[in-house]
Amino acid sequence: DAGVIQSPRHEVTEMGQEVTLRCKPISGHDYLFWYRQTMMRGLELLIYFNNNVPIDDSGMPEDRFSAKMPNASFSTLKIQPSEPRDSAVYFCASNGEGDSYEQYFGPGTRLTVT
Amino acid sequence: AQSVTQPDIHITVSEGASLELRCNYSYGATPYLFWYVQSPGQGLQLLLKYFSGDTLVQGIKGFEAEFKRSQSSFNLRKPSVHWSDAAEYFCAILYGGSQGNLIFGKGTKLSVKP
Repeated sequence: DAGVIQSPRHEVTEMGQEVTLRCKPISGHDYLFWYRQTMMRGLELLIYFNNNVPIDDSGMPEDRFSAKMPNASFSTLKIQPSEPRDSAVYFCASNGEGDSYEQYFGPGTRLTVT
Repeated sequence: AQSVTQPDIHITVSEGASLELRCNYSYGATPYLFWYVQSPGQGLQLLLKYFSGDTLVQGIKGFEAEFKRSQSSFNLRKPSVHWSDAAEYFCAILYGGSQGNLIFGKGTKLSVKP
């Protein structure tokens, strides 16, 4: 298996623009997680899905952030409009029921908002 | 509230020397405990985990960790560090048995001197 795939790996955009981050989880995994990593706050859970259904989005910082999982093999995290304080590395992770809570992380998307 | 503390932000050790990375947690019961490693530009990879039983757990890449309930600690150790171990290490707890309740410490960056 190719592991968790994220795209793009790097994104540079201007303030006010819409940003869409993409994730393909490991085939057969039924949990998908979106995290944000910053120097100040460390690694924070934004939202997670189970069987394509959002379970907990309490970590989503503002209404500017939204996430979808239209099918078992694809998820998006959208920021609209983007702001400089959204600059961070965004990770997607997935997990299967038989994995004893081990989460498998993608390589991340480094977002820079200027 | 639940929390994870990694007291050391940055540690430098010589190649071949032993290593211990500290982790303390705050939770009313025994959580599930994890150590992840993040190499530069990569996602996190699980090193080892503890759920119950023997308090000394073995992981990948020659790492081990010991759970000490009395100290609410889960320190990571390696007897002889290799240059390839240079990375950032994250301790994490999962509480309440919920996939979404995974909390990470701020991480300890390990540098290895030749």
